[in-house]
Amino acid sequence: QKEVEQNSGPLSVPEGAIASLNCTYSDRVSQSFFWYRQYSGKSPELIMSIYSNGDKEDGRFTAQLNKASQYVSLLIRDSQPSDSATYLCAVRKRGSTLGRLYFGRGTQLTVWP
Amino acid sequence: SAVISQKPSRDICQRGTSLTIQCQVDSQVTMMFWYRQQPGQSLTLIATANQGSEATYESGFVIDKFPISRPNLTFSTLTVSNMSPEDSSIYLCSVERTGELFFGEGSRLTVL
Repeated sequence: QKEVEQNSGPLSVPEGAIASLNCTYSDRVSQSFFWYRQYSGKSPELIMSIYSNGDKEDGRFTAQLNKASQYVSLLIRDSQPSDSATYLCAVRKRGSTLGRLYFGRGTQLTVWP
Repeated sequence: SAVISQKPSRDICQRGTSLTIQCQVDSQVTMMFWYRQQPGQSLTLIATANQGSEATYESGFVIDKFPISRPNLTFSTLTVSNMSPEDSSIYLCSVERTGELFFGEGSRLTVL
């Protein structure tokens, strides 16, 4: 079983819609969760981090964490063509070195005008 | 955030050769991290580079294949040795700052 799994996509939504990206993780002691965005040919950039159960909102982005279900998601409201990218879910286990993250394979999102 | 510069940004290499990737950070950091992103695969940590000590390698990665140097607190190199086509990948240098991990632009290697 992979440490982090994401819905493989690709995901295609119209402009203005809500894009929903999902991620599950295998290790219950995971404690920090991150969403990165990676444009084609570019390096990943952090867009959200979440550490406790519930929702965390930042502008059009909302991260949701459910540790009991070992599930983390990212919602993008009012999706824009500029949101078209690959979204990577990453997990840090309790006690791990800060830079030691486990990544999913990513979900490719396309927002069409 | 962090400013992380990597060189080369891309290269095409012949099988059996070695290539060294350089990573420069805009300020001092204790640890630097090297990741690999193979086509269609997830980002995977290769090793953690500490200044003044040997790098710590993750399972599946060995020093003979991926020697790392860390001569000071702002610089590190990763060498990909005796390359094969399976080493074709993006190699990313990263640093932690304020609890978040930041990545360089990556070095895209193609091995023929």
